[in-house]
Amino acid sequence: GAGVSQTPSNKVTEKGKYVELRCDPISGHTALYWYRQSLGQGPEFLIYFQGTGAADDSGLPNDRFFAVRPEGSVSTLKIQRTERGDSAVYLCASSLRGTAMNTEAFFGQGTRLTVV
Amino acid sequence: AQKVTQAQTEISVVEKEDVTLDCVYETRDTTYYLFWYKQPPSGELVFLIRRNSFDEQNEISGRYSWNFQKSTSSFNFTITASQVVDSAVYFCALSEAKGGSEKLVFGKGTKLTVNP
Repeated sequence: GAGVSQTPSNKVTEKGKYVELRCDPISGHTALYWYRQSLGQGPEFLIYFQGTGAADDSGLPNDRFFAVRPEGSVSTLKIQRTERGDSAVYLCASSLRGTAMNTEAFFGQGTRLTVV
Repeated sequence: AQKVTQAQTEISVVEKEDVTLDCVYETRDTTYYLFWYKQPPSGELVFLIRRNSFDEQNEISGRYSWNFQKSTSSFNFTITASQVVDSAVYFCALSEAKGGSEKLVFGKGTKLTVNP
């Protein structure tokens, strides 16, 4: 596809359940980012991948959150034992090499997660 | 620690007015990058500009212009002759990009409403 694709667009889950959010970056982009955006706030960094490896996971709030990118393309954000406070829009972005390497990051439209 | 402050939560203007969105940042690094993103109601963040800390030259792109002043740690964004389609939430962001980290630190955003 032409842009960053995130699925599902909306996810409603019960407290305590496990969820997976998927991100398909732009083809050829080596850098991939996950952010979380709560209502009325700016996006908050979660994790950054360069290729298959997580170069910076300092934004993951706790060990219930985990992300993988096994083949250096598609990434999955996994949340265990979901809590109501996890409700937010989860944004994925990709860039050709990385924003510090003079390439811009393109964002997907996000997955709206609601934990009830 | 990095921090981005967008003091204006909401701004409302009438079409054709000029409007300036303020952004003040904090960082201890000498090398850093500043960004502006637009988030229309659809939710997808749209890249507008990237600036590195060594380039204080102001930039103009059509009706958009940016004023970067290191002395006041500000990176303000001006829209000239605003249009209804400019209505969106605008985010300023900062990246230090050191030690392999590529994370963007976002401000809380300024919601701009342009009325016809």
